[in-house]
Amino acid sequence: GAGVSQSPSNKVTEKGKDVELRCDPISGHTALYWYRQSLGQGLEFLIYFQGNSAPDKSGLPSDRFSAERTGGSVSTLTIQRTQQEDSAVYLCASSLGTISGANVLTFGAGSRLTVL
Amino acid sequence: LAKTTQPISMDSYEGQEVNITCSHNNIATNDYITWYQQFPSQGPRFIIQGYKTKVTNEVASLFIPADRKSSTLSLPRVSLSDTAVYYCLSRTSGTYKYIFGTGTRLKVLA
Repeated sequence: GAGVSQSPSNKVTEKGKDVELRCDPISGHTALYWYRQSLGQGLEFLIYFQGNSAPDKSGLPSDRFSAERTGGSVSTLTIQRTQQEDSAVYLCASSLGTISGANVLTFGAGSRLTVL
Repeated sequence: LAKTTQPISMDSYEGQEVNITCSHNNIATNDYITWYQQFPSQGPRFIIQGYKTKVTNEVASLFIPADRKSSTLSLPRVSLSDTAVYYCLSRTSGTYKYIFGTGTRLKVLA
């Protein structure tokens, strides 16, 4: 697609429920990133994919968080047994994933998660 | 782990030039320095990228000294619409793990 697409744009859920957030990157971008941004705060790195592989999962806040990417394209971030502190905007970005270090990340509009 | 440091906030008046400096002591040898702008309720947006010396595009200039341990984003003649948070970005060497710093909250006053 022309840009990074995220869905849903807004999600309100009850504490304890599971949620899935979807990211559709720019076609041809091999690298995909998930960040979390709490209200008024900076961007917290969660995980990145190079192709379908996630070399570094150290940013995931707890084992309730997981992410996968299939076919080198769409990625899903899953939060199980949601807690109120999970409320934030979840941002996805993609890039060409070049080795040169000149990567430019293109972000989606984000998915705003509210846990009641 | 790569880490960036930049001022938390800055105020400026319309028409002035604004310079925001970021320090990135552990930048990887082959890594570029990239700056992003973020407006409320939007994802960050790419502004400018450079490797060394000076880079200029239609919205900003980026100055990088020879040691590459810092960079300065220069916004000429800012307007109210430039009020945003500005981030410099660094990468952990050998990976695609990009870490955002705290960002600089720029407020442009009339």
